[in-house]
Amino acid sequence: DIQMTQSPSSLSASVGDRVTITCRASQTISRSLNWYQQKPGKAPKLLMHDAASLQSGVPSRFSGSGSGTDFTLTINSLQPEDFATYSCQQSYIGPFTFGGGTKVEI
Amino acid sequence: EVQLVESGGGLVQPGGSLRLSCVASGLTFSNYWMGWVRQAPGKGLEWVANINQDGSEKYYVDSVEGRFSISRDNAENSLYLQMNSLRAEDTAVYYCSTGGLTFDSWGQGTLVTVSS
Repeated sequence: DIQMTQSPSSLSASVGDRVTITCRASQTISRSLNWYQQKPGKAPKLLMHDAASLQSGVPSRFSGSGSGTDFTLTINSLQPEDFATYSCQQSYIGPFTFGGGTKVEI
Repeated sequence: EVQLVESGGGLVQPGGSLRLSCVASGLTFSNYWMGWVRQAPGKGLEWVANINQDGSEKYYVDSVEGRFSISRDNAENSLYLQMNSLRAEDTAVYYCSTGGLTFDSWGQGTLVTVSS
């Protein structure tokens, strides 16, 4: 199985900050990498697919990059509604594994 | 707007069974791969199973293979997860989602607790 490792597991930030979250795959997954946002008690929400494609309706302050094994999610000018947990997921081959999540808090 | 509504969760003893349902609206259900993703309390997300549009292809994570069965009824816009031989480690919120590889839309989830 492909292991997905996120770092950091949590971070503290302020409104207006630029935040970068990293996701590393245990083997190459091309650009088959998705990012999700989850708020407490709520279902995850797809933010980004295929490493860098913004899901419809997601603000442009979110961006993704990477290919192969190393990927990043960047949030430019963090907004109050962005405080949440972010998880990466590989869609390259089953089982479709997720990273452990990165909690972005104040 | 796509809506997915899960039901069927609850408290069950180890070794017991439960059947989860998910009713979809706002989409042409028969055009979509569908899947189940779970999240144990305080833990990360785990893909459980998915099924193709006509139900002829089904895939499972190893830990549920042989115990869980995914199915669908396109006439009823419904997705199901039959869970047998439940274990404590199956305790989680179970989410229904559209997509087989990328999970586009999600339901609100239904909690399954396996405990004696």
